[in-house]
Amino acid sequence: AQSVTQPDIHITVSEGASLELRCNYSYGATPYLFWYVQSPGQGLQLLLKYFSGDTLVQGIKGFEAEFKRSQSSFNLRKPSVHWSDAAEYFCAVGVGDMRFGAGTRLTVKP
Amino acid sequence: EAQVTQNPRYLITVTGKKLTVTCSQNMNHEYMSWYRQDPGLGLRQIYYSMNVEVTDKGDVPEGYKVSRKEKRNFPLILESPSPNQTSLYFCASSLYGQPMNTEAFFGQGTRLTVV
Repeated sequence: AQSVTQPDIHITVSEGASLELRCNYSYGATPYLFWYVQSPGQGLQLLLKYFSGDTLVQGIKGFEAEFKRSQSSFNLRKPSVHWSDAAEYFCAVGVGDMRFGAGTRLTVKP
Repeated sequence: EAQVTQNPRYLITVTGKKLTVTCSQNMNHEYMSWYRQDPGLGLRQIYYSMNVEVTDKGDVPEGYKVSRKEKRNFPLILESPSPNQTSLYFCASSLYGQPMNTEAFFGQGTRLTVV
C-alpha cells in the first residue's frame, strides 16, 4: 500500500546535539519529497523539498535532508539543535496529491 | 504578503448546527485543499480543488462539503457537524495541482470543537 511513514512519534534531544528525523515512503515511482515544520499554534511551514538532482538538499533554519532511493527514505537532519526547533515535523510526498506522514514531535532539553 | 487565511481560528459548536470555515488565498494558486489533523494520524486530506468549479474527494470526505466558485476562495462546509469532526483543520494552496510538485502554503488552522 502507498504510504508515508515517520517511525518516531516523539524524539527528545539536548540543545546542541545533532538530530535526525526519519521518513520512509512506499510508492512506485520516486515522488516529490518535502519536510514541513509546525510550531505550536501555527500552520505548516516548508523546510525543504526534493524534486530531482543532488540527493542532499539544504533547507531553512539549518536543516538538510538526504534522499536515498535504495532505502526509499528522506531523512531530515540538523547538526546542532536549538531550543526554538521544538515543534512537530511532517514528511510529505507529492504523488499527484500531497500525502503526509503522521508527524514526529521534537522536544529539546536545555 | 502572500498568505492563506482561514476563519475562524477557533470554533465551538453543537452537534447538527451547520457551519462554514472560510479559506482565502492571495497568490492566484490553482490548487487548494482541506486537511484535518488528528493526533497520531498526521494530516489527512478532506477535499481538494484543481481549479474553479473542479473539486474532488480526498481520503476523509464524509460529512464535509466544499465549493470553488472563485479561484481565491475554498470554503469548507459541515452541514451537520458531529463530535467526531472535532479536529484541527488546515487549508492549503499551491500553484499547480497534479503532479504535486510545488510547495503548499498553509493557513494558520481552525480548531473546531463539536459538542
